[in-house]
Amino acid sequence: ETGVTQTPRHLVMGMTNKKSLKCEQHLGHNAMYWYKQSAKKPLELMFVYSLEERVENNSVPSRFSPECPNSSHLFLHLHTLQPEDSALYLCASSQASSGTDTQYFGPGTRLTVL
Amino acid sequence: AQTVTQSQPEMSVQEAETVTLSCTYDTSESDYYLFWYKQPPSRQMILVIRQEAYKQQNATENRFSVNFQKAAKSFSLKISDSQLGDAAMYFCAYRCSENYGGATNKLIFGTGTLLAVQP
Repeated sequence: ETGVTQTPRHLVMGMTNKKSLKCEQHLGHNAMYWYKQSAKKPLELMFVYSLEERVENNSVPSRFSPECPNSSHLFLHLHTLQPEDSALYLCASSQASSGTDTQYFGPGTRLTVL
Repeated sequence: AQTVTQSQPEMSVQEAETVTLSCTYDTSESDYYLFWYKQPPSRQMILVIRQEAYKQQNATENRFSVNFQKAAKSFSLKISDSQLGDAAMYFCAYRCSENYGGATNKLIFGTGTLLAVQP
């Protein structure tokens, strides 16, 4: 595997379910991000982890809970979601303090909340 | 606060022709980075090109080039010799100097331009 991978690619869940999204980066980066992409809206930054420490929450509801066990893995735990949470969730990674700090994205998880 | 505006929700180009996608941004900073990302139907967001604001020379990557006008706060993307594989959503992004821990910086994205390539 190369770059940034995400699993699952598609997820359908009920409002009472608990599920997790997984992201893995194979680029040796030290920062990871969760974004929400909804139709006709700019990407919304949800969480940032730098050196495995969460440094930005960006006012995300508590029904979204991130976890970064090491610099290569990032999870987004979901519980009691709402239908308006249906969206594409993108993970990204970057090498902080590297000048451009360019972010590289995974393919995303298409989430549908029924 | 910084903003990024892409005023063309959709564009269309004939195969082998040239197309320009527009992007404007608003900032009071003098040093920053700008990016164009491409998101094909498979949804993998791919970096196309990046520009450093302190460099006057426009960035170029093969068939992709930018027209960076710092005073006008404009950052357009030109795609030459368009190919069917260029069909995608294109996002313009601005890297602001708002700093997180570990020197990670925030990206501000535009709403995107959907490019169709006609055979």
